[in-house]
Amino acid sequence: AQSVSQHNHHVILSEAASLELGCNYSYGGTVNLFWYVQYPGQHLQLLLKYFSGDPLVKGIKGFEAEFIKSKFSFNLRKPSVQWSDTAEYFCAVGTGGFKTIFGAGTRLFVKA
Amino acid sequence: GAVVSQHPSWVICKSGTSVKIECRSLDFQATTMFWYRQFPKQSLMLMATSNEGSKATYEQGVEKDKFLINHASLTLSTLTVTSAHPEDSSFYICSAPGGGGAVADTQYFGPGTRLTVL
Repeated sequence: AQSVSQHNHHVILSEAASLELGCNYSYGGTVNLFWYVQYPGQHLQLLLKYFSGDPLVKGIKGFEAEFIKSKFSFNLRKPSVQWSDTAEYFCAVGTGGFKTIFGAGTRLFVKA
Repeated sequence: GAVVSQHPSWVICKSGTSVKIECRSLDFQATTMFWYRQFPKQSLMLMATSNEGSKATYEQGVEKDKFLINHASLTLSTLTVTSAHPEDSSFYICSAPGGGGAVADTQYFGPGTRLTVL
């Protein structure tokens, strides 16, 4: 069955620390890969996406993610987090038939 | 960017009643919309795909007679929770895809509707 696995449910970091959130998926076909973010009290919104081309994609607010096809992974990174990055982050995989499958989410709390 | 709205944002109802939730794409047309359910501290679970002009497609385990979906126009999909019970209490989110193609593109999400069934 298709699935998306996020390695950490909760992450607590101090400001300026580096961030890496793991994401692995299982799906044999062509996929589009996404990271969505949900700030407290706000909608889910797109952080970045990968469709094809350079496997290292850059998104908003200094985030980037790397697609490693051989590992079925799409990890999210940021070199230096800020307090305003406190949010819940969802890895998602877009598959055929317009379906998007979400990971369980990772709650990031950044201490000022 | 594309905007999706939901109404109401929060609804409280008595057990046994039906509740309708609306999802609208405000500045674009959406022939397809998706309905998700999100339990506390869990991810979004896709419930069904709403198709304009045809029947919705339900995911395995989702009761189609319980969760009625109507895609009335290119900008409106409704989810009706019929004979709601406390276990239906949850956060319901809709989304509309931003692009075409064979593989799912960016989703634009509504703000969600919190349903509380007493």
